[in-house]
Amino acid sequence: AQSVTQLGSHVSVSEGALVLLRCNYSSSVPPYLFWYVQYPNQGLQLLLKYTTGATLVKGINGFEAEFKKSETSFHLTKPSAHMSDAAEYFCAVRRFNNAGNMLTFGGGTRLMVKP
Amino acid sequence: DAGVTQSPTHLIKTRGQQVTLRCSPISGHKSVSWYQQVLGQGPQFIFQYYEKEERGRGNFPDRFSARQFPNYSSELNVNALLLGDSALYLCASSLEGVAKGGPPGFGQGTRLTVV
Repeated sequence: AQSVTQLGSHVSVSEGALVLLRCNYSSSVPPYLFWYVQYPNQGLQLLLKYTTGATLVKGINGFEAEFKKSETSFHLTKPSAHMSDAAEYFCAVRRFNNAGNMLTFGGGTRLMVKP
Repeated sequence: DAGVTQSPTHLIKTRGQQVTLRCSPISGHKSVSWYQQVLGQGPQFIFQYYEKEERGRGNFPDRFSARQFPNYSSELNVNALLLGDSALYLCASSLEGVAKGGPPGFGQGTRLTVV
């Protein structure tokens, strides 16, 4: 079975500071990993994805994540936080079988950005 | 192209009632999935449909059912509503049913409140 753990349900950073949101996964097969962002009262927007190939993945809005198989991690980073980054962030792993698009999500991390 | 559209956006129901939520996938997408997101938690997988057939089912009671129509739109039905069914219900669509890496796109969700 696959699972996702996001360490820290709330993270607070100052504007301009480094953003680091942690995600660890468990999977019995090579994982497909995703980060989604959710703004208040909205659906989920894809930030970035890892499937195969390069382990450092760049996404939208200046975010990137690095797949580390040895650490079973897929942490999300951004060098400099902006006020508009305040939102809920979800890490997800995709089940790799003919069930298709079943994602298992972590519990989410709420990012707060202080001026 | 229009994204995933869901209706209604908000809904208030009484315990014991039945509710139907609707989803139209992105044009050309044949796979639709449903997720339940309780406040403060990550989304939980409910169903996945591909080519009008159920391809995956999460750990939800039989009160939850769904179907997919020939035009690939989908309905989620919940019978005998409980207070605990109050949540944001998200619909996601993608091109194919077999996991090939393409991440699903999500709709804005339907906020269901059971009173």
